[in-house]
Amino acid sequence: GDSVTQMEGPVTLSEEAFLTINCTYTATGYPSLFWYVQYPGEGLQLLLKATKADDKGSNKGFEATYRKETTSFHLEKGSVQVSDSAVYFCALSYGGSQGNLIFGKGTKLSVKP
Amino acid sequence: DGGITQSPKYLFRKEGQNVTLSCEQNLNHDAMYWYRQDPGQGLRLIYYSQIVNDFQKGDIAEGYSVSREKKESFPLTVTSAQKNPTAFYLCASAQGQASNQPQHFGDGTRLSIL
Repeated sequence: GDSVTQMEGPVTLSEEAFLTINCTYTATGYPSLFWYVQYPGEGLQLLLKATKADDKGSNKGFEATYRKETTSFHLEKGSVQVSDSAVYFCALSYGGSQGNLIFGKGTKLSVKP
Repeated sequence: DGGITQSPKYLFRKEGQNVTLSCEQNLNHDAMYWYRQDPGQGLRLIYYSQIVNDFQKGDIAEGYSVSREKKESFPLTVTSAQKNPTAFYLCASAQGQASNQPQHFGDGTRLSIL
């Protein structure tokens, strides 16, 4: 079945460091791909999305490119801040009659000042 | 402001008790979802509803029940048949069935056993 695999955390970085969180997926079709972020004690917020191959999603300095050839959607940010500390989830969706998201297990990021 | 409201934020269940988690949205979204989040497990789908008066089981529906009598409301009942209910429960909604429609999430309800 379809699935999403993320790099295991926790990831600990110093402020202004470069961030990469790896995400690969297994899909039988052509899903849309998403990154969500969860701050402590809160629900998930959409960070960015890409709907077809070679699309790049971007928001708040974060970027991810939908790579069909490597079935990947890695999240990157050039310079992280303490406020970026959170759990990041990669997910895919086909929409349609079910429309639910299939999530990776999440990657916890801690940024130290 | 439009959004999804989940209540209560914290809930405690006694042995043999059913409890109901509330989820209300004012985004005029057709689709609504319930997910369960366990540490290190990601999110798993419990139930979903694409339209009023209709809902479908997700991957882990056993021990749970839902209703969708109004477009804006999708309450989840955790029954006594759910033997391991301690988790963080998240409700979400989406505009339609297109794959590029993002889901909007509430702030969750944390359920614990007394």
